[in-house]
Amino acid sequence: DAGVTQSPTHLIKTRGQQVTLRCSPISGHKSVSWYQQVLGQGPQFIFQYYEKEERGRGNFPDRFSARQFPNYSSELNVNALLLGDSALYLCASSSASGRDSETQYFGPGTRLLVL
Amino acid sequence: AQTVTQSQPEMSVQEAETVTLSCTYDTSESDYYLFWYKQPPSRQMILVIRQEAYKQQNATENRFSVNFQKAAKSFSLKISDSQLGDAAMYFCAYRSYESIGGFKTIFGAGTRLFVKA
Repeated sequence: DAGVTQSPTHLIKTRGQQVTLRCSPISGHKSVSWYQQVLGQGPQFIFQYYEKEERGRGNFPDRFSARQFPNYSSELNVNALLLGDSALYLCASSSASGRDSETQYFGPGTRLLVL
Repeated sequence: AQTVTQSQPEMSVQEAETVTLSCTYDTSESDYYLFWYKQPPSRQMILVIRQEAYKQQNATENRFSVNFQKAAKSFSLKISDSQLGDAAMYFCAYRSYESIGGFKTIFGAGTRLFVKA
């Protein structure tokens, strides 16, 4: 079975632009989480979605938004890009949510560079 | 707010020897999960081992084991018989639960492990 997939793998944008990152979870997984990993740091939680509803939100500005589709894939949108948004964006999926959730499986990430 | 601290930015171990990576966390909850993830240079984050807080027994997965001290809020990872393929960044992580039925995983800053041949 395919693991978590993310697209694109790399992306270069300029300040002020908008970007959309995509994630497809493992087949049968209904929960998707997004993380930002700045170089040299641990991942920071951005959002968690389950059954198309937002179930968790990290400490990120409103420029960051996400959604989950009926097939459980997800998009992360970032508006008005800043230099500090340059990072590896990780998507992770799990079969359930809350205390019923088990292991999260991570995708390879999208490397975003903002110039 | 929950926090996860990894006080060792880098560690080094000789091949075939044992190394222990440290992690402490802060929480007021009693029910949670703790994880160790490995991130090789290729970037894909891989689960190494997980521990449920209500279980007293320390988790083990082949050469990987943890020392979970709930009262001390400590969760260290021991790698036995270290192999060259163990070289990676290791992240300690804590899973907290949201009131709206979700969860979020809080990661430490990571420990880079070097394995010497």
